[in-house]
Amino acid sequence: ETGVTQTPRHLVMGMTNKKSLKCEQHLGHNAMYWYKQSAKKPLELMFVYNFKEQTENNSVPSRFSPECPNSSHLFLHLHTLQPEDSALYLCASSQETGGTEQYFGPGTRLTVT
Amino acid sequence: AQKITQTQPGMFVQEKEAVTLDCTYDTSDPSYGLFWYKQPSSGEMIFLIYQGSYDQQNATEGRYSLNFQKARKSANLVISASQLGDSAMYFCAMRVPMYSGGGADGLTFGKGTHLIIQP
Repeated sequence: ETGVTQTPRHLVMGMTNKKSLKCEQHLGHNAMYWYKQSAKKPLELMFVYNFKEQTENNSVPSRFSPECPNSSHLFLHLHTLQPEDSALYLCASSQETGGTEQYFGPGTRLTVT
Repeated sequence: AQKITQTQPGMFVQEKEAVTLDCTYDTSDPSYGLFWYKQPSSGEMIFLIYQGSYDQQNATEGRYSLNFQKARKSANLVISASQLGDSAMYFCAMRVPMYSGGGADGLTFGKGTHLIIQP
């Protein structure tokens, strides 16, 4: 089983749809993250969860709603998105404190039409 | 605020040559970590190497080494004996504590360098 998995790998949704991205880590880590990677921009940190508690919301619009039911699973619920939200959404995990690296999943390529 | 600068949008290198990818950073926090990740066309971010701000020696990991010059706030990645499979986007990133209570820290990324290894 690979360390961090994400589903779906590709998603096309209309602006009025509601969808969810799923991330699962099999590494026994306690921290999980959502990043957004848009074309020609650096990766942007969106949310951080540590021991299921959200510790960082990096000024993300409310149309993105994270959920972390346990340390192994992380969701990103999407509703009424805009075309500029089209991007690669990457999930990562790490040990909870002073981790030397974050392990990333393969990402979900989201297209909003 | 933290900032990572990668000044090389793209590089072409001959196979088997050494490659240096530039990275400078800016932070006022004395405790930070520096990372390099590789992102092939498949999209997955692959961790390569880590350097802590208090580490005395430059980090090395196989063919990868990090040239850490703290006074210059520079953390260049050196790839020795480049291979065709090294062609990818390379990102420099920095971790600083996101809040005073400690805990999980997010990463701040640079814009990346697109490295192409030519046969």
